[in-house]
Amino acid sequence: DAKTTQPPSMDCAEGRAANLPCNHSTISGNEYVYWYRQIHSQGPQYIIHGLKNNETNEMASLIITEDRKSSTLILPHATLRDTAVYYCIVRGQGGSYIPTFGRGTSLIVHP
Amino acid sequence: GAVVSQHPSWVICKSGTSVKIECRSLDFQATTMFWYRQFPKQSLMLMATSNEGSKATYEQGVEKDKFLINHASLTLSTLTVTSAHPEDSSFYICSAPRRTGENIQYFGAGTRLSVL
Repeated sequence: DAKTTQPPSMDCAEGRAANLPCNHSTISGNEYVYWYRQIHSQGPQYIIHGLKNNETNEMASLIITEDRKSSTLILPHATLRDTAVYYCIVRGQGGSYIPTFGRGTSLIVHP
Repeated sequence: GAVVSQHPSWVICKSGTSVKIECRSLDFQATTMFWYRQFPKQSLMLMATSNEGSKATYEQGVEKDKFLINHASLTLSTLTVTSAHPEDSSFYICSAPRRTGENIQYFGAGTRLSVL
């Protein structure tokens, strides 16, 4: 599976956009990019995923570069409740998919 | 709302006792569930894959006789930490895909285990 690299921490002001980068330069053609987040002392929560097109849902937007070697998760208007560790995971579809988690990015949203 | 329920959310036990943690899928059937462990300031580490009607698959380094997994029905998997010791104190989390082969995992809220 492709390895991902994320900055260990970031911060952002409440109400501003939070842009969380992820590098996955060894991604293969059939692998998707998934994002989860984990608020302190809770289980992880699925946010969004994509293959090569940009994706948007009610939680966030996912921008994947044309060469698919990196992506950015965008929280358009961050709130204090978005403070969490954000995990970028790359995996193929189907089969015995098991998400494995790296260190992620600890995002702190401040007032 | 939550689609995977985990119970209890917090448990304290004495060293040498056993603790059972339940993971339920609430509105779907889960033939496969996953169990993770998370130590403070660390990421989630997969412990085992729970398979309904068959034996669990354990990750390397995880003792199957210490962490007993039972997946007796399509909506319930249990993790029993046997003869718990202080080093077993951790945050245990389960997950399941809503549909077989779906790569989106739904996680329980986690169980904080403290062994005295």
